[in-house]
Parts: sequence; C-alpha cells; structure tokens
Amino acid sequence: GNSVTQMEGPVTLSEEAFLTINCTYTATGYPSLFWYVQYPGEGLQLLLKATKADDKGSNKGFEATYRKETTSFHLEKGSVQVSDSAVYFCALSKGSSASKIIFGSGTRLSIRP
Amino acid sequence: NAGVTQTPKFQVLKTGQSMTLQCAQDMNHEYMSWYRQDPGMGLRLIHYSVGAGITDQGEVPNGYNVSRSTTEDFPLRLLSAAPSQTSVYFCASRLGVTQYFGPGTRLTVL
Repeated sequence: GNSVTQMEGPVTLSEEAFLTINCTYTATGYPSLFWYVQYPGEGLQLLLKATKADDKGSNKGFEATYRKETTSFHLEKGSVQVSDSAVYFCALSKGSSASKIIFGSGTRLSIRP
Repeated sequence: NAGVTQTPKFQVLKTGQSMTLQCAQDMNHEYMSWYRQDPGMGLRLIHYSVGAGITDQGEVPNGYNVSRSTTEDFPLRLLSAAPSQTSVYFCASRLGVTQYFGPGTRLTVL
C-alpha cells in the first residue's frame, strides 16, 4: 500500500543552519507530494507541494524536489530561523479529488537562537 | 472566509460519556475528513466524506460516527468515550489535492 517515511525527530539546529528533513514514499503510479507544517497549538498548514516528477515546490525559503528515481521528497532550507520551529509532515496523495492523503509521522524541528 | 472552524478547543470527558465534535467550513469544499493526532503516529484518518450525504470509513473508524447533511458541516460523534480516544482531533476540507485544516480539538477521556 501507499506509505510515507520521514526522519525521526526531534531535530535541533542553531539559527542560520542548513536544514534537511528526509522523506521517502511508497506508492504506485505518480502521487502528488506535500509538506505540511504545524506550529505550536495550531492545525496543519500546507507548506509546499509537487505534483509530478522533477517538480520543485518552494515557499518561505523551503524547497523540496520530487525525485521519482529515489522516491524521495526531502525538505530543505538554507538558513533556518527561530520562527521555523514546528512539526513538519510529509504526505502523499494519489491525486484524484476523492483520494486519501497519507501522512508521515512528523518531524519536530527546534531552532536555537 | 473563516476557513475550517472546530468547536470546542478543549474537552474533558469521563469514560462512557458521549459527545459531538463540531466542524464547519465556508469554502464550499465537497471533501471533508476527520483525523486524530497522537504522539509519534502522525495523523490517522477516522472518517471522510466526498459530499453531502456520503461518508466512508478511514483507517481508525471504530468508536466514531459521522454524518454529512450539508456541505458546510461534518460533525464527529463519540458514542461511548474511552481513554484510548484521548487525542487531538483535526477536521479538514479539501480542494483538489490541497487540504485545509481546522485548529483542532484537544480531547481528554478520564
């Protein structure tokens, strides 16, 4: 079946450090891939998405590239800020409007000033 | 637009009590869903609906009921609360492949 595996946290970095959160998926065909972010006490918000192979999603300085050959969608940011502290979820959907979205278990990121 | 709203924000129940978690959206989205979020387990789908009058089970439906009488509302009912249902519950609506989440309800069952 479809599944998403992301690196376990927590991840703790200093401000301005480079961030990578790994995400790999298992799915047939060509799913859409997402990163959601959950700030403390809030619901999830869509951070970025990619709907086909080699697409790069980007938002707020974060990027992720849809790699079909490695079934990966790693999240990166060149210089993190304290305000990036949150839980990040990788997710996939098979793409039809009625299909379910499968979430990874989440990675907690903490940024030290 | 208010987006997706959920009430209450917090709730404490005793084992065996019943209650309804409310969810509403004003974006006219057909697809709505309920998730529970537990530490280390990400989000698990409880029930979902692809339109008014149509509901289906997700990954963890036992102990929960839903109905969808209107496009806007998608309440989640706990029939007889159990401590295992202590969790944070999120409602979401969806347009295309993008989901919009409510702020969540933190439920504790004693």
